[in-house]
Amino acid sequence: EAGVAQSPRYKIIEKRQSVAFWCNPISGHATLYWYQQILGQGPKLLIQFQNNGVVDDSQLPKDRFSAERLKGVDSTLKIQPAKLEDSAVYLCASSLDLAGRETQYFGPGTRLLVL
Amino acid sequence: DQQVKQNSPSLSVQEGRISILNCDYTNSMFDYFLWYKKYPAEGPTFLISISSIKDKNEDGRFTVFLNKSAKHLSLHIVPSQPGDSAVYFCAASVTNFGNEKLTFGTGTRLTIIP
Repeated sequence: EAGVAQSPRYKIIEKRQSVAFWCNPISGHATLYWYQQILGQGPKLLIQFQNNGVVDDSQLPKDRFSAERLKGVDSTLKIQPAKLEDSAVYLCASSLDLAGRETQYFGPGTRLLVL
Repeated sequence: DQQVKQNSPSLSVQEGRISILNCDYTNSMFDYFLWYKKYPAEGPTFLISISSIKDKNEDGRFTVFLNKSAKHLSLHIVPSQPGDSAVYFCAASVTNFGNEKLTFGTGTRLTIIP
């Protein structure tokens, strides 16, 4: 079974530029998550999708961050414009379903550096 | 407000000995706890979990203990092996009719010395 795929693996941009990350979850997984992990901290949930609908985006900085999951499969996370404090690893995870204690499977992450 | 805390950023243990990783939480509504393991350049992988109705859960070399009164949980690895060297994250969630959001701690880097 293929795992969660993310691209790119690394990205370096200057502040005020835009950047987009892509995630392909495990086949058949209805729920998709985007996390931000700043150096020295644990992952923080940004947004959670169930199929192509948003379940929770309470911690997403909506003035600069946006995410979509068209057709309920792949997802993209965009930052526009980027700030220095957005430097972090962006992790995508998926789980079989929203209900209960479904295990979340994480991708390798995209490491973003904003200069 | 850090609701899940891992106060030891790093821990070194001799191979074959017991590794004990600790985690404290402040939100008394948390009722499900998990441990994730993370190797460099990889995403976290699920290791073991425990519900608040239990005080111990065991899976092979890994045992998680939960002390609800102290709001404390610990992960025991016995015996420790070199492949256990990784960053370990504690996470917690509140039952919310399917919308269980995970709150992670800051992680503990475990190094197993051969």
